[in-house]
Amino acid sequence: EAGVAQSPRYKIIEKRQSVAFWCNPISGHATLYWYQQILGQGPKLLIQFQNNGVVDDSQLPKDRFSAERLKGVDSTLKIQPAKLEDSAVYLCASSSWGGPGGLAFFGQGTRLTVV
Amino acid sequence: SQQGEEDPQALSIQEGENATMNCSYKTSINNLQWYRQNSGRGLVHLILIRSNEREKHSGRLRVTLDTSKKSSSLLITASRAADTASYFCATQGGSEKLVFGKGTKLTVNP
Repeated sequence: EAGVAQSPRYKIIEKRQSVAFWCNPISGHATLYWYQQILGQGPKLLIQFQNNGVVDDSQLPKDRFSAERLKGVDSTLKIQPAKLEDSAVYLCASSSWGGPGGLAFFGQGTRLTVV
Repeated sequence: SQQGEEDPQALSIQEGENATMNCSYKTSINNLQWYRQNSGRGLVHLILIRSNEREKHSGRLRVTLDTSKKSSSLLITASRAADTASYFCATQGGSEKLVFGKGTKLTVNP
Protein backbone atom coordinates (compact mmCIF):
# COMPACT_ATOMS: atom_id res chain seq x y z
CA GLU A 1 0.00 0.00 0.00
CA ALA A 2 1.20 3.53 -0.73
CA GLY A 3 2.48 5.47 2.26
CA VAL A 4 1.77 8.98 3.45
CA ALA A 5 2.93 11.49 0.88
CA GLN A 6 4.15 14.94 1.81
CA SER A 7 5.42 17.84 -0.26
CA PRO A 8 7.61 19.70 -0.58
CA ARG A 9 10.51 17.90 1.13
CA TYR A 10 12.40 21.09 1.80
CA LYS A 11 11.45 24.76 1.91
CA ILE A 12 13.45 27.88 2.70
CA ILE A 13 11.60 31.14 3.19
CA GLU A 14 12.24 34.52 4.71
CA LYS A 15 10.51 35.55 7.92
CA ARG A 16 7.10 37.11 7.42
CA GLN A 17 6.56 35.13 4.22
CA SER A 18 3.86 32.50 3.95
CA VAL A 19 4.27 28.79 3.24
CA ALA A 20 2.01 25.81 2.70
CA PHE A 21 2.60 22.09 3.14
CA TRP A 22 0.57 19.32 1.58
CA CYS A 23 -0.20 15.83 2.84
CA ASN A 24 -1.93 12.88 1.19
CA PRO A 25 -2.69 10.18 3.77
CA ILE A 26 -3.01 6.46 3.25
CA SER A 27 -6.23 5.66 1.44
CA GLY A 28 -9.07 4.94 3.83
CA HIS A 29 -7.37 6.40 6.91
CA ALA A 30 -9.85 8.59 8.74
CA THR A 31 -7.42 10.17 11.20
CA LEU A 32 -4.79 12.65 10.08
CA TYR A 33 -2.21 14.37 12.27
CA TRP A 34 0.15 17.29 11.71
CA TYR A 35 3.21 17.49 13.95
CA GLN A 36 5.99 20.01 14.33
CA GLN A 37 9.39 18.59 15.24
CA ILE A 38 12.13 21.00 16.22
CA LEU A 39 15.66 19.62 15.97
CA GLY A 40 16.50 17.43 18.93
CA GLN A 41 12.94 17.32 20.27
CA GLY A 42 9.98 15.00 20.02
CA PRO A 43 7.12 15.67 17.60
CA LYS A 44 4.59 18.18 18.92
CA LEU A 45 1.00 17.66 17.84
CA LEU A 46 -0.39 20.71 16.04
CA ILE A 47 -3.74 19.43 14.82
CA GLN A 48 -5.67 16.17 14.53
CA PHE A 49 -8.48 15.55 12.05
CA GLN A 50 -11.01 12.77 11.90
CA ASN A 51 -12.32 12.74 8.35
CA ASN A 52 -12.70 16.48 7.69
CA GLY A 53 -13.48 17.51 11.25
CA VAL A 54 -10.97 18.85 13.77
CA VAL A 55 -10.55 16.65 16.86
CA ASP A 56 -7.77 18.62 18.55
CA ASP A 57 -6.01 21.85 17.66
CA SER A 58 -5.14 22.99 21.16
CA GLN A 59 -1.46 23.49 20.33
CA LEU A 60 -1.91 25.11 16.93
CA PRO A 61 -0.81 28.79 16.99
CA LYS A 62 -3.99 29.96 15.36
CA ASP A 63 -2.80 33.52 14.83
CA ARG A 64 -0.40 32.27 12.16
CA PHE A 65 -1.08 28.60 11.47
CA SER A 66 -4.10 27.15 9.71
CA ALA A 67 -4.97 23.72 8.43
CA GLU A 68 -7.73 22.12 6.47
CA ARG A 69 -8.58 18.66 5.26
CA LEU A 70 -10.36 18.71 1.96
CA LYS A 71 -13.21 16.21 1.70
CA GLY A 72 -11.64 14.16 4.47
CA VAL A 73 -8.65 13.14 2.37
CA ASP A 74 -5.74 15.50 1.54
CA SER A 75 -4.68 18.15 4.00
CA THR A 76 -2.77 21.41 3.85
CA LEU A 77 -1.00 23.23 6.66
CA LYS A 78 -0.25 26.92 6.18
CA ILE A 79 1.92 29.36 8.08
CA GLN A 80 1.35 33.06 7.55
CA PRO A 81 3.46 34.98 8.45
CA ALA A 82 6.39 32.73 9.30
CA LYS A 83 8.73 33.40 12.20
CA LEU A 84 12.30 32.22 12.75
CA GLU A 85 11.11 29.84 15.48
CA ASP A 86 8.90 28.02 12.96
CA SER A 87 12.03 26.39 11.52
CA ALA A 88 11.34 22.69 12.02
CA VAL A 89 10.29 19.50 10.29
CA TYR A 90 6.55 19.28 9.72
CA LEU A 91 5.32 15.71 9.82
CA CYS A 92 2.01 14.38 8.62
CA ALA A 93 0.67 11.03 9.81
CA SER A 94 -2.49 9.03 9.31
CA SER A 95 -4.18 6.12 10.98
CA SER A 96 -7.37 4.18 10.60
CA TRP A 97 -10.01 5.13 13.14
CA GLY A 98 -10.69 2.13 15.26
CA GLY A 99 -11.94 1.97 18.82
CA PRO A 100 -8.98 1.95 21.17
CA GLY A 101 -6.67 3.46 18.61
CA GLY A 102 -4.02 2.31 16.23
CA LEU A 103 -0.57 2.84 14.88
CA ALA A 104 0.16 5.97 12.88
CA PHE A 105 1.96 5.97 9.57
CA PHE A 106 4.23 8.94 8.97
CA GLY A 107 5.34 10.75 5.86
CA GLN A 108 8.94 11.80 5.32
CA GLY A 109 8.20 15.32 6.49
CA THR A 110 8.85 18.81 5.17
CA ARG A 111 11.94 20.53 6.50
CA LEU A 112 11.22 24.26 6.81
CA THR A 113 13.97 26.80 7.29
CA VAL A 114 12.96 30.38 8.04
CA VAL A 115 15.75 32.90 7.54
CA SER B 1 2.49 19.59 26.30
CA GLN B 2 4.48 16.36 26.05
CA GLN B 3 2.83 13.36 27.66
CA GLY B 4 5.62 10.79 27.63
CA GLU B 5 9.09 11.33 29.01
CA GLU B 6 11.81 8.97 27.86
CA ASP B 7 14.80 8.01 29.90
CA PRO B 8 17.71 8.13 29.26
CA GLN B 9 17.97 10.99 26.78
CA ALA B 10 20.95 9.31 25.15
CA LEU B 11 22.34 5.78 25.27
CA SER B 12 25.52 4.40 23.73
CA ILE B 13 26.20 0.66 23.66
CA GLN B 14 28.25 -1.93 21.81
CA GLU B 15 26.84 -4.17 19.12
CA GLY B 16 25.39 -7.32 20.64
CA GLU B 17 24.42 -5.68 23.93
CA ASN B 18 20.85 -5.06 25.00
CA ALA B 19 19.37 -1.57 25.07
CA THR B 20 16.64 -0.54 27.48
CA MET B 21 14.67 2.67 27.22
CA ASN B 22 12.02 3.84 29.63
CA CYS B 23 8.96 6.02 29.23
CA SER B 24 6.82 7.65 31.89
CA TYR B 25 3.50 9.37 31.31
CA LYS B 26 0.98 11.33 33.32
CA THR B 27 -2.63 10.60 32.40
CA SER B 28 -4.70 7.50 31.68
CA ILE B 29 -4.22 5.96 28.25
CA ASN B 30 -5.80 3.50 25.84
CA ASN B 31 -2.47 2.38 24.47
CA LEU B 32 1.21 3.25 24.33
CA GLN B 33 3.26 3.07 21.17
CA TRP B 34 6.96 3.06 20.38
CA TYR B 35 8.42 4.64 17.25
CA ARG B 36 11.88 4.82 15.71
CA GLN B 37 13.30 7.73 13.77
CA ASN B 38 16.48 7.52 11.77
CA SER B 39 18.35 10.78 11.31
CA GLY B 40 16.53 13.07 8.90
CA ARG B 41 13.74 10.59 8.24
CA GLY B 42 10.10 10.12 9.23
CA LEU B 43 8.96 8.05 12.18
CA VAL B 44 8.31 4.35 11.86
CA HIS B 45 6.02 2.56 14.26
CA LEU B 46 7.53 -0.38 16.12
CA ILE B 47 4.96 -1.74 18.50
CA LEU B 48 1.67 -0.89 20.23
CA ILE B 49 0.72 -2.14 23.67
CA ARG B 50 -2.82 -1.68 24.96
CA SER B 51 -3.64 -0.57 28.48
CA ASN B 52 -4.87 -4.06 29.42
CA GLU B 53 -1.63 -5.71 28.27
CA ARG B 54 1.53 -6.02 30.37
CA GLU B 55 4.08 -7.28 27.89
CA LYS B 56 4.45 -7.61 24.16
CA HIS B 57 7.14 -9.02 21.90
CA SER B 58 8.06 -8.38 18.29
CA GLY B 59 11.25 -9.93 17.01
CA ARG B 60 14.11 -8.48 19.07
CA LEU B 61 11.79 -5.97 20.73
CA ARG B 62 10.14 -6.43 24.10
CA VAL B 63 7.79 -3.82 25.52
CA THR B 64 6.34 -3.76 29.01
CA LEU B 65 3.60 -1.55 30.39
CA ASP B 66 2.86 -0.84 34.05
CA THR B 67 -0.28 1.28 34.21
CA SER B 68 -0.09 1.55 38.00
CA LYS B 69 3.28 3.28 37.68
CA LYS B 70 2.37 4.95 34.39
CA SER B 71 5.53 3.66 32.80
CA SER B 72 6.71 1.54 29.90
CA SER B 73 10.02 0.11 28.79
CA LEU B 74 11.40 -0.89 25.41
CA LEU B 75 14.10 -3.54 25.31
CA ILE B 76 16.09 -4.18 22.16
CA THR B 77 18.04 -7.40 22.45
CA ALA B 78 21.27 -8.24 20.62
CA SER B 79 21.53 -4.72 19.22
CA ARG B 80 22.99 -3.99 15.80
CA ALA B 81 24.58 -0.89 14.31
CA ALA B 82 21.42 -0.51 12.22
CA ASP B 83 19.43 0.04 15.43
CA THR B 84 21.12 3.42 15.82
CA ALA B 85 18.25 5.91 15.85
CA SER B 86 16.04 7.97 18.12
CA TYR B 87 13.25 6.11 19.87
CA PHE B 88 10.03 7.77 20.99
CA CYS B 89 7.14 6.62 23.09
CA ALA B 90 3.69 7.99 22.30
CA THR B 91 0.53 7.73 24.34
CA GLN B 92 -2.97 7.57 22.96
CA GLY B 93 -6.19 8.28 24.79
CA GLY B 94 -9.87 8.07 23.97
CA SER B 95 -9.87 10.71 21.24
CA GLU B 96 -6.94 8.93 19.55
CA LYS B 97 -4.81 11.99 20.22
CA LEU B 98 -1.24 10.72 19.86
CA VAL B 99 1.26 12.53 22.06
CA PHE B 100 5.00 11.94 21.85
CA GLY B 101 7.79 12.19 24.37
CA LYS B 102 11.19 13.77 23.83
CA GLY B 103 12.91 10.58 22.77
CA THR B 104 16.01 8.54 23.52
CA LYS B 105 18.92 8.76 21.12
CA LEU B 106 20.47 5.31 20.81
CA THR B 107 23.93 4.77 19.35
CA VAL B 108 25.09 1.22 18.71
CA ASN B 109 28.81 1.04 18.11
CA PRO B 110 30.11 -1.70 15.79
